[in-house]
Amino acid sequence: KAGVTQTPRYLIKTRGQQVTLSCSPISGHRSVSWYQQTPGQGLQFLFEYFSETQRNKGNFPGRFSGRQFSNSRSEMNVSTLELGDSALYLCASSLAASPGGYSYNEQFFGPGTRLTVL
Amino acid sequence: SQQGEEDPQALSIQEGENATMNCSYKTSINNLQWYRQNSGRGLVHLILIRSNEREKHSGRLRVTLDTSKKSSSLLITASRAADTASYFCATDLYNMNSGYSTLTFGKGTMLLVSP
Repeated sequence: KAGVTQTPRYLIKTRGQQVTLSCSPISGHRSVSWYQQTPGQGLQFLFEYFSETQRNKGNFPGRFSGRQFSNSRSEMNVSTLELGDSALYLCASSLAASPGGYSYNEQFFGPGTRLTVL
Repeated sequence: SQQGEEDPQALSIQEGENATMNCSYKTSINNLQWYRQNSGRGLVHLILIRSNEREKHSGRLRVTLDTSKKSSSLLITASRAADTASYFCATDLYNMNSGYSTLTFGKGTMLLVSP
């Protein structure tokens, strides 16, 4: 099976712009999670989608949003970019343990999108 | 603050030695997972241990879980240079507000294995 793919791999934007990142999960995986990784804060959970519904959201401002399509592909959007948004954005897919989302199974991560905000 | 905290933050050893990393957490968990990340790439899942398990093995990896002390350890035996990476523990927490689980990562241990 093909792994999790993320596009683009690298992105340079300026403050105030917006950006859309894309994630294609492993075939058959319906759960997609997004994480932001920075040297100072480590890996922080952004949100998780399952069957086109956002089930969980981390503690990020409303500038960060996402969606999931019927084929489980997911996008995340960051509007009005700030310097502090520079980070590695990681997407992970998994087989949800149950439709209710109780308990996470193994997460399969993509290579990430490195976003630099100037 | 982070749910899972790894210790030490950095570890430097010689090939052939064992490496032990610890993870402490604050609240009850569904399961605990360990991941490895090579130099700014995506994370790779190593092992998952459920809250009712005490020890699991996978190849040269041994993970223990002590729910009474809210801690876990990852042991890598006979380390190789290729084991050089950052290692993260992730705790699966049930979120009563959303009704779903959230996976929360620690800040990781950077392991350097020298030939």
